[in-house]
Amino acid sequence: DFQMTQSPSSLSASVGDRVTITCRASQSISNYLNWYQQKSGKAPKLLIYSASSLQTGVSSRFSGGGSGTDFTLTISSLQPEDFAIYYCQQSYSTPWTFGQGTKVEIK
Amino acid sequence: QLQLQESGPGLVKPSETLSLTCTVSGGSISTYNYYWGWIRQPPGKGLEWIGNIYYRGGTYYNPSLKSRVTISLDTSKNQFSLRLTSVTAADTAVYYCASLPGGNIVGRVDYWGQGTLVTVSS
Repeated sequence: DFQMTQSPSSLSASVGDRVTITCRASQSISNYLNWYQQKSGKAPKLLIYSASSLQTGVSSRFSGGGSGTDFTLTISSLQPEDFAIYYCQQSYSTPWTFGQGTKVEIK
Repeated sequence: QLQLQESGPGLVKPSETLSLTCTVSGGSISTYNYYWGWIRQPPGKGLEWIGNIYYRGGTYYNPSLKSRVTISLDTSKNQFSLRLTSVTAADTAVYYCASLPGGNIVGRVDYWGQGTLVTVSS
């Protein structure tokens, strides 16, 4: 299986901060990388697919980048509603696998 | 916009079979080039892909669960289902049903059910 490792596991940030989360794949996955946001007690929500494509309806303050093994999710100006856990997921090879998550908390 | 809703028992005894159904509204599960999947999340932990079924019926199961999993479609009811046999406490999780568009970019979940907690306990 392709292992996905996110860093950091958690971070504290303030409203208005620029936040970057990293996801590393154990092998090259081209750009088959998706990002999800999960708020407490809710289902995940797709933010970014194919590494950098913004899902319809998602705020443009979210952006994704990278290819191969190293990827990033950036929130340009953190808003109160962005405090959540973020997961990356590779869809290059089955079984599709997720990172362990990055919890974004209020500083 | 699709809406997915899981249903089924919230408590299953060890060694028995977990059965969940996902009812889809706002669209047909026979929609061209769509996949329908199941993903689970143990309490306080990360996400695990269970498997998925193509709109025409082909299935994929995670090898870690393959011997115990069956996913099926019921087009007459616009539902798809999950069966997981011989459950243990390790199968306790929130189970999500999901929709995945096909095409060139496969494997992203565009809609999720709200999730249902299934606890395995005697």
